[in-house]
Amino acid sequence: GQQLNQSPQSMFIQEGEDVSMNCTSSSIFNTWLWYKQDPGEGPVLLIALYKAGELTSNGRLTAQFGITRKDSFLNISASIPSDVGIYFCAGQTTGNQFYFGTGTSLTVIP
Amino acid sequence: GAVVSQHPSRVICKSGTSVKIECRSLDFQATTMFWYRQFPKQSLMLMATSNEGSKATYEQGVEKDKFLINHASLTLSTLTVTSAHPEDSSFYICSANNPGYYGYTFGSGTRLTVV
Repeated sequence: GQQLNQSPQSMFIQEGEDVSMNCTSSSIFNTWLWYKQDPGEGPVLLIALYKAGELTSNGRLTAQFGITRKDSFLNISASIPSDVGIYFCAGQTTGNQFYFGTGTSLTVIP
Repeated sequence: GAVVSQHPSRVICKSGTSVKIECRSLDFQATTMFWYRQFPKQSLMLMATSNEGSKATYEQGVEKDKFLINHASLTLSTLTVTSAHPEDSSFYICSANNPGYYGYTFGSGTRLTVV
């Protein structure tokens, strides 16, 4: 299956710092989503984006759907310890299949 | 709303045996469910799309005879790993879409260990 390129692969930041990660694909997607996964659990949806250029916020999280429909970014402002986890982007095709990014592991140092 | 229950959460089986994993949508009907596989510290890889009342659609490289998918009702899809081998050990996750709820909801995953 397809896989999206996500960067950075891992981040180690101080509590209170902002975080930025992005996702790129060679294919166009109709929907971009961002998930967070805790160890041993399934991913939990953070933000969904449905339109090219769309900028959506959910609390301290902000995500944008790239104009080309081949990329997206996620920002987390003022990070806190509970932000620790692995963040995945996902793109949805016209066939309603989801393909995931390679993941960004976030560590927040108190 | 939009809860997906996956069972079992952990299973250990012997090589050569088969294991069934269930994925249920608890408060909505799901005509389509998806099965993913995740190796440690890696991303989720889509294995197959499970369609209620019809055959599953498998991604390239996924053996349909080894990973049997049955979606007999609008709330239940099962994945059976047949003749399991140690290399099948992985984290398996299902997801489903509730039409009234944006995004796809994931189950909590099944950790399969084949010994």
